[in-house]
Amino acid sequence: SQTIHQWPATLVQPVGSPLSLECTVEGTSNPNLYWYRQAAGRGLQLLFYSVGIGQISSEVPQNLSASRPQDRQFILSSKKLLLSDSGFYLCAWNGGFQETQYFGPGTRLLVL
Amino acid sequence: GENVEQHPSTLSVQEGDSAVIKCTYSDSASNYFPWYKQELGKGPQLIIDIRSNVGEKKDQRIAVTLNKTAKHFSLHITETQPEDSAVYFCAASLKAGGTSYGKLTFGQGTILTVHP
Repeated sequence: SQTIHQWPATLVQPVGSPLSLECTVEGTSNPNLYWYRQAAGRGLQLLFYSVGIGQISSEVPQNLSASRPQDRQFILSSKKLLLSDSGFYLCAWNGGFQETQYFGPGTRLLVL
Repeated sequence: GENVEQHPSTLSVQEGDSAVIKCTYSDSASNYFPWYKQELGKGPQLIIDIRSNVGEKKDQRIAVTLNKTAKHFSLHITETQPEDSAVYFCAASLKAGGTSYGKLTFGQGTILTVHP
């Protein structure tokens, strides 16, 4: 069966510091991968999605970037965090032309 | 692009009562409508979904109805239990293909509280 992992689970970072969040999927190949941000426990905002290695599409302009160095690895990064980057970051996947997305456990980021 | 509106934003019911959450969507081409349940501090979990060629789908105490003409769909939970308390999200998407790749547009969520 497929499993999706995210780490770290929680992170507290100072403003201006860099960020790297990782997401990996097991038990499938060539998944579509997604990064969402959820503020205040409500509403999921799609940040990036990827349909293959090195292929990244950005949904909204922001302080963040994404990379997909391996088939089942998706990384969310920032060079300098802002206070407004605080939130709950969720990674999701689906297979090929399937519609259903499956979410990871999330990473809670607090920027101070 | 697609826009999904979800109501109510909060819903409080007594244990054993039914709960109904409604969503409307804007893009008549959308044809896949999942519902997710999110417990505090966790990622959303798919609880039921429906495709546009079906008007209703049921799974034990949970059912979803779809009205394509009116572009709205609803989640029905019967015999609610305290463990049903969570945030519920609806979503809509086009069938994956072309450039959509199963991208979902989510509603803003409903906080459901079931009182014992």
